[in-house]
Amino acid sequence: DAKTTQPPSMDCAEGRAANLPCNHSTISGNEYVYWYRQIHSQGPQYIIHGLKNNETNEMASLIITEDRKSSTLILPHATLRDTAVYYCIVRVLSGNQFYFGTGTSLTVIP
Amino acid sequence: GAGVSQSPSNKVTEKGKDVELRCDPISGHTALYWYRQSLGQGLEFLIYFQGNSAPDKSGLPSDRFSAERTGGSVSTLTIQRTQQEDSAVYLCASSPGTSYNEQFFGPGTRLTVL
Repeated sequence: DAKTTQPPSMDCAEGRAANLPCNHSTISGNEYVYWYRQIHSQGPQYIIHGLKNNETNEMASLIITEDRKSSTLILPHATLRDTAVYYCIVRVLSGNQFYFGTGTSLTVIP
Repeated sequence: GAGVSQSPSNKVTEKGKDVELRCDPISGHTALYWYRQSLGQGLEFLIYFQGNSAPDKSGLPSDRFSAERTGGSVSTLTIQRTQQEDSAVYLCASSPGTSYNEQFFGPGTRLTVL
């Protein structure tokens, strides 16, 4: 399984863009990068996923480097409700398991 | 529509007792997952069910842990002879199938073993 490395914590000013990095240097060619977040005392929530190309949806943007060894989740205008733990996950194809690491605890500051 | 539900929301038990945790997935979802989250930690995969296939039990930490899924719907996670290190939040998730990208999580069951 490809492992991911994320900084344990980050702060971001409200209204500014939050850029959350993730390293996945051992990712295989057919493995996707997924991002989930977990707000305190709730179950994780899907945000976005991608394979090679950059992706954007109503929640966030995902930038994947050309060599696919790292990616960045971008929350374009962070709000206080975006305070959560953000998990970067590389999907294991067999069994459809999702391996969550310890994630990045993002705190949005007023 | 209704999301994934789990019961009980909280469970306090004494060391050595058995506990059963229940998960009701979203109707029609064929894939079901159990995870464990200890305090301040990430999610630890436990077990995965997909349709009528044999479950992937590779994440179960010991033979005290077992899970079943009856009729392809409701799932029960059983922990026998609970230990204090079993204290954690147990999360269930479901998805429409193995090729689906998003897992839908329930609110979890907080288990405390005294």
